[in-house]
Amino acid sequence: DSGVTQTPKHLITATGQRVTLRCSPRSGDLSVYWYQQSLDQGLQFLIQYYNGEERAKGNILERFSAQQFPDLHSELNLSSLELGDSALYFCASSASYRDSGNTIYFGEGSWLTVV
Amino acid sequence: GENVEQHPSTLSVQEGDSAVIKCTYSDSASNYFPWYKQELGKRPQLIIDIRSNVGEKKDQRIAVTLNKTAKHFSLHITETQPEDSAVYFCASTEAYSGAGSYQLTFGKGTKLSVIP
Repeated sequence: DSGVTQTPKHLITATGQRVTLRCSPRSGDLSVYWYQQSLDQGLQFLIQYYNGEERAKGNILERFSAQQFPDLHSELNLSSLELGDSALYFCASSASYRDSGNTIYFGEGSWLTVV
Repeated sequence: GENVEQHPSTLSVQEGDSAVIKCTYSDSASNYFPWYKQELGKRPQLIIDIRSNVGEKKDQRIAVTLNKTAKHFSLHITETQPEDSAVYFCASTEAYSGAGSYQLTFGKGTKLSVIP
């Protein structure tokens, strides 16, 4: 168990709909990262938040958005869903300050299927 | 930004043989190099990491080597077992440059199959 909690584990929804994926980082970790992994694909970095603020942005579509709340949990919002958005979405966290090292720990992922 | 190249994309070995996966990176300021193992449908799990002040690190059957001059690092798995079959990802991250600055750049992964 990495200590990173993601919900829901599985989600099936229709095209055009909107879903929210939730992530609780490891206790004490200030950074949260979101990654997308399609079938047989690598890990595509979407976005990073640090202590409530957006820190880095990767290949995140405009239809997707995220935020990190004061209690450090994060949500990834996916809207106007398309079939191609079907993927495994991982949240990861790290302590991300100078003396902590920079190890990133992944949650179990949220399987999204768009039908 | 950082670019990480990983080879090979697939690797099949006989049980008991060794497996080597190689990665190169582009940013000479990178100083942390983790390796993750991902079984089908599961989360990537950190299996070993190395920092730039170390040339080699071992953990039982797994070892990682780093050549900062050439900007490449490798994962070595000895005496492979069927349970080593998985996708392995290398990654690198830049040196600390302020709070929240750590981001990993991943290679595209190597699918390792260990044949009994």
